[in-house]
Amino acid sequence: DTAVSQTPKYLVTQMGNDKSIKCEQNLGHDTMYWYKQDSKKFLKIMFSYNNKELIINETVPNRFSPKSPDKAHLNLHINSLELGDSAVYFCASSLPRQGPSGYTFGSGTRLTVV
Amino acid sequence: AQKITQTQPGMFVQEKEAVTLDCTYDTSDPSYGLFWYKQPSSGEMIFLIYQGSYDQQNATEGRYSLNFQKARKSANLVISASQLGDSAMYFCAMRAVWNNDMRFGAGTRLTVKP
Repeated sequence: DTAVSQTPKYLVTQMGNDKSIKCEQNLGHDTMYWYKQDSKKFLKIMFSYNNKELIINETVPNRFSPKSPDKAHLNLHINSLELGDSAVYFCASSLPRQGPSGYTFGSGTRLTVV
Repeated sequence: AQKITQTQPGMFVQEKEAVTLDCTYDTSDPSYGLFWYKQPSSGEMIFLIYQGSYDQQNATEGRYSLNFQKARKSANLVISASQLGDSAMYFCAMRAVWNNDMRFGAGTRLTVKP
């Protein structure tokens, strides 16, 4: 049973389109995240949700909108896709506050905007 | 603000030898956790090891050990007896106790030579 699952794994789309990436975790964690990994492999946090409430919203374009219907799901919707949005997007989850287990990551969604 | 620095973009090591991957960090938080993740070419993020800022002993997990020097703000990863399967990107990360925000370094690409 996959702990943090993301769909789709690959997404190829044209500029200007709107797309969503879904994430689900079955670990019972309270907090979920979206990270973006660029072509240079740099990982940057985008959003953090704790029990369906947004607690971190880094400086990302407002074309990106996270939605958390319940604490096991955190979806990422992207409007008007641009070439620069091409990246790997990782969903992750964790227990609140400190813990030796860190984050559990999904397998990533490779988004390619053409 | 937290900052993680990995100064080695790439490292090479001979199979069966040990290798040290450097990580320094900067934070004003008194309590924090340090993590190392491995990202093989398949793309998933694999948690390797954790060190709490108040832990008295350096963390070890199998062939992985963390050389924690708090006064120098360094948390180097030591991999003993390198294997070909250790070839991957390695990321150092830090998370303050008071929040859920984990920040990553730029990563080090390790190549193990046969």
